[in-house]
Amino acid sequence: AQRVTQPEKLLSVFKGAPVELKCNYSYSGSPELFWYVQYSRQRLQLLLRHISRESIKGFTADLNKGETSFHLKKPFAQEEDSAMYYCALTYNTDKLIFGTGTRLQVFP
Amino acid sequence: DAGVIQSPRHEVTEMGQEVTLRCKPISGHDYLFWYRQTMMRGLELLIYFNNNVPIDDSGMPEDRFSAKMPNASFSTLKIQPSEPRDSAVYFCASSPQQYFGPGTRLTVT
Repeated sequence: AQRVTQPEKLLSVFKGAPVELKCNYSYSGSPELFWYVQYSRQRLQLLLRHISRESIKGFTADLNKGETSFHLKKPFAQEEDSAMYYCALTYNTDKLIFGTGTRLQVFP
Repeated sequence: DAGVIQSPRHEVTEMGQEVTLRCKPISGHDYLFWYRQTMMRGLELLIYFNNNVPIDDSGMPEDRFSAKMPNASFSTLKIQPSEPRDSAVYFCASSPQQYFGPGTRLTVT
């Protein structure tokens, strides 16, 4: 079955430190991977998708098919990056399968 | 476009009462999704529609939950009877590209 795993429930870093939010998936085909962000008490927003190969708010994510991973990275964390981050995949429809999320806390 | 609209934003009800959550998708979007978000389980897909037709309702927890989409601009998620364990934030999203609504925070006492 298709599954998205985010092993960390909480990740705490200091401002300026590098950040890596881990995401692993299980799917035998060619999925499309996404990262969504949810700031405190706000709606989920699409942060980035692997097919776009873009950097949003300093975040990047590379799809590694060999390791079935799609880790989210940022070289220098900012306090405003504090939020819940969800990794998700879709494979043949618009149906998204989400991971359980990682809360990122960036301390000043 | 105002984006995906959900109402009410907050709902507090007593156990056993019927609860109806509403969603207006973005005009022109042909997919609509209902999700439930809790601290313990994260985001769970409950059901989704394509062109107003339910495609996959395997995430609906039990018969107390039902969802309808009578037309392209409106969907409801109903819980009858509600229970305290239904307390969560319920999100609606429409596609393409899964734009999420602001959510309805449901508290069942």
